[in-house]
Amino acid sequence: LAKTTQPISMDSYEGQEVNITCSHNNIATNDYITWYQQFPSQGPRFIIQGYKTKVTNEVASLFIPADRKSSTLSLPRVSLSDTAVYYCLVGDSYGAGSYQLTFGKGTKLSVIP
Amino acid sequence: EAQVTQNPRYLITVTGKKLTVTCSQNMNHEYMSWYRQDPGLGLRQIYYSMNVEVTDKGDVPEGYKVSRKEKRNFPLILESPSPNQTSLYFCASSPIAERSGIEQFFGPGTRLTVL
Repeated sequence: LAKTTQPISMDSYEGQEVNITCSHNNIATNDYITWYQQFPSQGPRFIIQGYKTKVTNEVASLFIPADRKSSTLSLPRVSLSDTAVYYCLVGDSYGAGSYQLTFGKGTKLSVIP
Repeated sequence: EAQVTQNPRYLITVTGKKLTVTCSQNMNHEYMSWYRQDPGLGLRQIYYSMNVEVTDKGDVPEGYKVSRKEKRNFPLILESPSPNQTSLYFCASSPIAERSGIEQFFGPGTRLTVL
């Protein structure tokens, strides 16, 4: 499973757009990029997944450049309820070696009123 | 409703008293996994299972056992709990499918305290 690097923490004011970047230099051809959100004392929750270019859903957008060595999770107009830890994972559900998962410490996003 | 359930949600026990935390999923997922989460250490994988009767160690398997006799259930067993196993535990499941990322569904967590 490709290793990922993301900032430990970020602060943002309410209403701003937040971009969290994840580096994954060793991403494999079949790997997808998946982001999770975790609130205190709750299990992580899947928010978005992508392979290349841009993916958007009702919660977030995911931007993946052509070389796929990084990805950016974009949260539009954050609110206090977006305060959480965000994890980036890279892997292939079907690929050998993808089952031993390491979530890492994620990025702690604090939204300030 | 598709979900992963864990029981109990909270447990206080004493050192050496065997305990089992149950995990069940109703989504027919092949893959199931256990994690522990400790302050400052993030989520660490304990054991995982790719299917019935197939289990393997994660990053921190010492002091834990698992079994996968049925596809829906994946209990976590602490034969002789110690205080350093005080933690928040999560069970998760996911399908295994080609051309797919790792979309895991997590349970609500079990907060375990070992005195």
